[in-house]
Amino acid sequence: DADVTQTPRNRITKTGKRIMLECSQTKGHDRMYWYRQDPGLGLQLIYYSFDVKDINKGEISDGYSVSRQAQAKFSLSLESAIPNQTALYFCATSGSEGETQYFGPGTRLLVL
Amino acid sequence: SQQGEEDPQALSIQEGENATMNCSYKTSINNLQWYRQNSGRGLVHLILIRSNEREKHSGRLRVTLDTSKKSSSLLITASRAADTASYFCATDAMNSGYSTLTFGKGTMLLVSP
Repeated sequence: DADVTQTPRNRITKTGKRIMLECSQTKGHDRMYWYRQDPGLGLQLIYYSFDVKDINKGEISDGYSVSRQAQAKFSLSLESAIPNQTALYFCATSGSEGETQYFGPGTRLLVL
Repeated sequence: SQQGEEDPQALSIQEGENATMNCSYKTSINNLQWYRQNSGRGLVHLILIRSNEREKHSGRLRVTLDTSKKSSSLLITASRAADTASYFCATDAMNSGYSTLTFGKGTMLLVSP
């Protein structure tokens, strides 16, 4: 969905490096989410934000941090990347409680 | 932890056949949603069914929800090769005072011409 963009689309990094994944949306939604997807495990929620001043941990937040710079921007950081953080990362947005989530195209991250 | 679990994990059918995928979940929900994912791409919302609804249709999609059994099914009728994708159910439930979606592991559907 072009309304939700993620950069970079692919990233290779080394163990111990700090990296940031960025998400932008033009849908005007208040709610934004970060998920990771591992093969065979579906999507797991890392962090979510219901507005600029409201950020909450998801089920697998350890090793990650986020920043909601504006309504339209939500960044995910890996402070010190480790190989088991190799995964496909998705950003998503939604407009209100329990409604449809709109996903970005994903960032494929490889940690060596 | 996964709230929704899809069954089967993989399904292979011929074009024109119907495909049925099931989802079971554990706790009370506000609604249940089905998403589709083409290989390595973002998820796309297909249909949402609320906890007080039993059946919903959208084009060739039919979704049922049985809250007493905590289960849902997604039926794709007259499947096409373009329906080949992974399908995920996601349950919307309250979690520590917030409503969030919890995704299952998905069903991989292969539709052969």
